[in-house]
Amino acid sequence: QTVVTQEPSFSVSPGGTVTLTCGLSSGSVSTNYYPSWYQQTPGQAPRTLIYSTNTRSSGVPDRFSGSILGNKAALTITGAQADDESDYYCVLYMGSGIWVFGGGTKLTVL
Amino acid sequence: QITLKESGPTLVKPTQTLTLTCTFSGFSLSTSGVAVGWIRQPPGKALEWLALIYWDDDKRYSPSLKSRLTITKDTSKNQVVLTMTNMDPVDTATYYCAHRQSVPGTAHFQHWGQGTLVTVSS
Repeated sequence: QTVVTQEPSFSVSPGGTVTLTCGLSSGSVSTNYYPSWYQQTPGQAPRTLIYSTNTRSSGVPDRFSGSILGNKAALTITGAQADDESDYYCVLYMGSGIWVFGGGTKLTVL
Repeated sequence: QITLKESGPTLVKPTQTLTLTCTFSGFSLSTSGVAVGWIRQPPGKALEWLALIYWDDDKRYSPSLKSRLTITKDTSKNQVVLTMTNMDPVDTATYYCAHRQSVPGTAHFQHWGQGTLVTVSS
């Protein structure tokens, strides 16, 4: 059973930079997994931030960026703002029409 | 503008079958490459991908839930239906449907419904 790993929580200061990661319990994440990232605030549906590793969804500020760092996918927020305080989920496409979500990272901005 | 909306019961009893409907607009599920998926989220927990149906009626399921899930589409009604058998309290969750667009080189869920909370309790 493939497990997609994310940091359970992270904290960043306003104006700071934070990098959240998305890994695999076994193996390395590459662009072939088409990593995507979603932002979710309490009571709301997820919002698409990044897809296909590093493509920002329409309307997403450019302070959000995606990449592959080492053996993981990464979401970097540069110049964090108070309203970036949310849960962030990555999802990997495992092939054969199967997707697996990570456990999510709760980001605190303080 | 693409929209999706989930509908179905808010409360089901253990062992019952859950039937959820996703009604969408702004795209056609007969367009090559397009798909609609279901994702759920138990209260306070992470998102979990459940199932997906492609424009050509190809269907994919989460391996851990495959035996309990069925996904179908009605292209004329712009609807996708998910059934889940043998419901258990651990299946209590908000259930979302989401649109996978037909852009080559992508494999993500671009548009999401608002979700519908399903509680499993006797």
